[in-house]
Amino acid sequence: EPEVTQTPSHQVTQMGQEVILRCVPISNHLYFYWYRQILGQKVEFLVSFYNNEISEKSEIFDDQFSVERPDGSNFTLKIRSTKLEDSAMYFCASALRTSVNEQFFGPGTRLTVL
Amino acid sequence: DAKTTQPPSMDCAEGRAANLPCNHSTISGNEYVYWYRQIHSQGPQYIIHGLKNNETNEMASLIITEDRKSSTLILPHATLRDTAVYYCIVRAFFGNEKLTFGTGTRLTIIP
Repeated sequence: EPEVTQTPSHQVTQMGQEVILRCVPISNHLYFYWYRQILGQKVEFLVSFYNNEISEKSEIFDDQFSVERPDGSNFTLKIRSTKLEDSAMYFCASALRTSVNEQFFGPGTRLTVL
Repeated sequence: DAKTTQPPSMDCAEGRAANLPCNHSTISGNEYVYWYRQIHSQGPQYIIHGLKNNETNEMASLIITEDRKSSTLILPHATLRDTAVYYCIVRAFFGNEKLTFGTGTRLTIIP
């Protein structure tokens, strides 16, 4: 069964450093998402991406965040200058279509900012 | 998106049916009810969704009341692997694509 993959599984970085989290969505999917979950808290939406542009972003997704689909398979989330409060699990998801189609989530990347 | 209300936790004996309730009294006509679950710290997993009719798939059944103000997710024969946080999410057919997660119900299957 096709699945969403994410690398790395765990990333440790120093505050102020740039990080890139990588995702490989399911191959025929068209809609891509990033969510995050701070330890013990809810899963929060960050951004959705379709047709090579952002279709929606949350208040969390400020100028420090960016997303890119550099080729036909990868979908990346970049945090330019990490803060302590960016420590969280980051989940990538993809969907074939919006509306009724379910989103398939990856296993997540645990980001730890020291 | 309409808000949902779920009990914070439930227990169920292994092999029995687990019935997870959800209230969504402000749901509007174009909104679907989705259920996802999250096992430990893994990525959320889609379970089932419905509009107004009852739905069944290989994982679960979804019963939606006639007035659509509440629903119940049924896991017919719960196993230990069903221990997870279960999220009931209401989402419009058109418009916002994002999923808005609440705090869900932490379901513990008891051996």
